[in-house]
Amino acid sequence: EAGVAQSPRYKIIEKRQSVAFWCNPISGHATLYWYQQILGQGPKLLIQFQNNGVVDDSQLPKDRFSAERLKGVDSTLKIQPAKLEDSAVYLCASSGQESTEAFFGQGTRLTVV
Amino acid sequence: DQQVKQNSPSLSVQEGRISILNCDYTNSMFDYFLWYKKYPAEGPTFLISISSIKDKNEDGRFTVFLNKSAKHLSLHIVPSQPGDSAVYFCAARRTARQLTFGSGTQLTVLP
Repeated sequence: EAGVAQSPRYKIIEKRQSVAFWCNPISGHATLYWYQQILGQGPKLLIQFQNNGVVDDSQLPKDRFSAERLKGVDSTLKIQPAKLEDSAVYLCASSGQESTEAFFGQGTRLTVV
Repeated sequence: DQQVKQNSPSLSVQEGRISILNCDYTNSMFDYFLWYKKYPAEGPTFLISISSIKDKNEDGRFTVFLNKSAKHLSLHIVPSQPGDSAVYFCAARRTARQLTFGSGTQLTVLP
């Protein structure tokens, strides 16, 4: 079974530029999450989708971050404009109806300079 | 508001000995607790979980203990192996299936 796929693996941008990350969850998983992991901290939930609907985006900085999950499969997370403090690893995860755990992709390491 | 806390940033253990990683939580509404392991440049991988109605779950060398009255859980690895060296995250799940993570503990198993 293929795991959660994310791209790109690494991205370096200047502050005030925009960036987008892509995630393809495990086939059949209805729930998709985006997490932000800052160095030395645990992953923090940004947004949770159930199929193509948003379950929770209370911690998403909506003035600069946006996410969508068209057709309830792939998802994109966008940052515009980026700030230095957005430097982090962005992790996508998915879970199925019967699973307790979430399965994570390898993440995208974003560096804002 | 840190609902899940791992107070030890690092732990070193000799190969063959027991590793004990600890985690505290504050929210009584969590229904599952999970441990994830993370190697550098990889995403977290699921290790073991425990339901809030249990006090122990065992899977091979890994055992998780839950003390609900103390709002505390621990992960025991015995015997520890060098390949177990990684960052371990404690996570707690709410009924909406969201995971709240601790800050992680870097385990180093010395040969």
